[in-house]
Parts: sequence; C-alpha cells; structure tokens
Amino acid sequence: GNSVTQMEGPVTLSEEAFLTINCTYTATGYPSLFWYVQYPGEGLQLLLKATKADDKGSNKGFEATYRKETTSFHLEKGSVQVSDSAVYFCALRGYNKLIFGAGTRLAVHP
Amino acid sequence: DTEVTQTPKHLVMGMTNKKSLKCEQHMGHRAMYWYKQKAKKPPELMFVYSYEKLSINESVPSRFSPECPNSSLLNLHLHALQPEDSALYLCASSQGLAGGTGELFFGEGSRLTVL
Repeated sequence: GNSVTQMEGPVTLSEEAFLTINCTYTATGYPSLFWYVQYPGEGLQLLLKATKADDKGSNKGFEATYRKETTSFHLEKGSVQVSDSAVYFCALRGYNKLIFGAGTRLAVHP
Repeated sequence: DTEVTQTPKHLVMGMTNKKSLKCEQHMGHRAMYWYKQKAKKPPELMFVYSYEKLSINESVPSRFSPECPNSSLLNLHLHALQPEDSALYLCASSQGLAGGTGELFFGEGSRLTVL
C-alpha cells in the first residue's frame, strides 16, 4: 500500500542554518506529493507540492524535488528563521485521501 | 478565497453533552473531509464526502455523526463522547476525490476537550 516515511525529529537548528528534512514514499503509480506545515496551535497549511517526477515545488524559500528514482521528496531551505519553527508533514495523494508521514518538528533558535 | 472556516475554535463538553462542529468553504470544492489529530501525531482521516454524499467512513464510532447539508458546509455532530476523544478536529476540502492536483485545504481546526 501507499505510505510515507519521514525522518524523526525534533530537528534543532540555529538561525540561518541549512535545513533538510528527508521524506521517502511507497506508492503505486506517481501520486502528487506535498509538504504541509503546522505552526503551534494552528491547522495545516500547504507549503509546496509536486505533481509529477522531476517537478520542483517551492514556496517561502523552501524547495522539494519529486525524485522517482529514489522515491523521495526531501524538503530543503537554505537559511532558516526562528519563524520557521513548526511541524512539517510530508504527504502523498491517494485516490481519496492524503497519506501523511509522522511529521518532523523543527525548532530554530536565535 | 482559499479559506476553510471552522467553528468553534475551542469546545469543552461533558460526556453527556451534544454539540456540533461546523466547517464552511467557498472554493467550489466538491470533496470535504474530517480529520482527527492527537498531540504530536499526524492527522487521521475520519470521513470523506464527495458531492454531498458520504464516500468514506474510516470505522469511526457512531458517537461521531457527520452531515453535509450542501456543497459548502460540513458538520460533525458529537454525542456521548469519551475523554480520549479530546483532540484537534480538522476540516479540509479539495476539488474532488481524484481530480486537479489533489491538494487539500485545511481549516484552523476545532480543539475539543471532553471532561
């Protein structure tokens, strides 16, 4: 079946550090892939998406590339800010629902 | 307008109470979802409506009763809940079950506490 595996957190970084959060997936076919972000006390916001192999999604300095050969969709940002502290969920689109990874908590300190 | 609105934001109820959570979207989406999220966990799917008809019930206990009065509204009726039902309840919508690029748009959630 379809599944998503994310690196375990928490990830703790200093401001302006480089961020990578690993995400790999198992799926039949080539589903759309997403990164959602959840700030403390809030709902989920779509951060970026990619709908086919080799697509690169980007938003707010975050990027992720749909890699078919490695079944991966790693999230990266060149310089994190304190305001990026949140939980990040990788997800893939099944036929009738999103399938989420376990989530990775990011804490950025000044 | 890419907004899903949920009310109330916070709800405290006793185990014998009856209450409802409400969700509204005006994006013309035809699929709507209820998710339950416990602390430090990913959201878990509860129900999916497609074109106002219940499409998926993920074996949710009958004390949770969904309703879709029209294509813009989704309710979740709560009755005789247990303390372990305390969680963040998230509503979401999408263009369809399988159409478009597939993203779901989430509301801010309703945080439920059952005493």
